[in-house]
Amino acid sequence: EAGVVQSPRYKIIEKKQPVAFWCNPISGHNTLYWYRQNLGQGPELLIRYENEEAVDDSQLPKDRFSAERLKGVDSTLKIQPAELGDSAVYLCASSFLYEQYFGPGTRLTVT
Amino acid sequence: GIQVEQSPPDLILQEGANSTLRCNFSDSVNNLQWFHQNPWGQLINLFYIPSGTKQNGRLSATTVATERYSLLYISSSQTTDSGVYFCAPGGGGSQGNLIFGKGTKLSVKP
Repeated sequence: EAGVVQSPRYKIIEKKQPVAFWCNPISGHNTLYWYRQNLGQGPELLIRYENEEAVDDSQLPKDRFSAERLKGVDSTLKIQPAELGDSAVYLCASSFLYEQYFGPGTRLTVT
Repeated sequence: GIQVEQSPPDLILQEGANSTLRCNFSDSVNNLQWFHQNPWGQLINLFYIPSGTKQNGRLSATTVATERYSLLYISSSQTTDSGVYFCAPGGGGSQGNLIFGKGTKLSVKP
């Protein structure tokens, strides 16, 4: 069974540029999560989807971050414009019930 | 929200040694997972253990939900066990949301 797929694995951009991350969850997992992990810290939830509905986006900085999950499968997380403080690893996870499975993450560097 | 405290923050072991990692949390939970983040950054599921005891090879975990702590035991450690171990409980109104601790960084020396 394929795991959670994310792309790209690495991204380097200049500040004020836009960037997008893509996630394909494990087949049959209706819940999808985006997390951000800063260096030396644990992951922090940005947004949670149940099917195509964003049920918890309370930690998503909505002035510059947006996300979508069309058709309740793949998801895209976008940052526009990026700031230096957005440098981090962006992780996608999915679950069928409670147990979450994580993708390899996208390491973003903003210069 | 739930507060998570993991100890110790850093641990250095000689290969073959045993260790116990602890996770304290501040509220009742109905979800708790242990992860190993390897040096390449991948989070690997170790246990889904909101209560009780589970074992998987050299690793075992125990969660005592009524006392709000969980323990991860690593026996006969190997160099491949190196990395960061995260405890992530979840519960309350947002039952799907895991709250991660800061992790325990384990280094196993040959």
